[in-house]
Amino acid sequence: GAVVSQHPSWVICKSGTSVKIECRSLDFQATTMFWYRQFPKQSLMLMATSNEGSKATYEQGVEKDKFLINHASLTLSTLTVTSAHPEDSSFYICSARAVRDAGRNTEAFFGQGTRLTVV
Amino acid sequence: AQKITQTQPGMFVQEKEAVTLDCTYDTSDPSYGLFWYKQPSSGEMIFLIYQGSYDQQNATEGRYSLNFQKARKSANLVISASQLGDSAMYFCAMMDNYGQNFVFGPGTRLSVLP
Repeated sequence: GAVVSQHPSWVICKSGTSVKIECRSLDFQATTMFWYRQFPKQSLMLMATSNEGSKATYEQGVEKDKFLINHASLTLSTLTVTSAHPEDSSFYICSARAVRDAGRNTEAFFGQGTRLTVV
Repeated sequence: AQKITQTQPGMFVQEKEAVTLDCTYDTSDPSYGLFWYKQPSSGEMIFLIYQGSYDQQNATEGRYSLNFQKARKSANLVISASQLGDSAMYFCAMMDNYGQNFVFGPGTRLSVLP
């Protein structure tokens, strides 16, 4: 199967600082990347969808100025949590869809997730 | 808007028995994809099975099968011969006609008893 690498796996940062999370598709070109947030014992909440070369589409209630998403190439998308606060502590996970599957609703590959703790 | 419902927060099953995890969905799209993922405590998302809305046959992948009833908008996951390693969170998910809007249900925690 296709491999999606998400980095870092975990990060601890001080309140007020920014944190960047990378999501790379290693052996395929990703036309679409999804970013999720997951609180303990809860489901994955879709934060935004980014299509390569376009601005990300944010879900209702997600602050686009706080959660900056960049999808500048077909193999890399980044999520930057700006001015992080303790309530931003969560598990963030990305998912990527291959260019070959564009326009269809098949297959999405997940990164390993990033556990963010803001102190 | 798309919505996934999983009405079983937790399920128990005896090892080697079969178990069905429920999933119902709501969408106005004529074409969509349905997925099941397993999430162990490590957090990784493990793909289990996929069903396209126009697929005539129910999907099967090893011990996993999807009971797809389009008219009822249900896509239940059946796990046969449960194993201790099957204990995890299970999520039902749906993707829209264009491969966007990839949303998840609330999940079911499955515990397999020895």
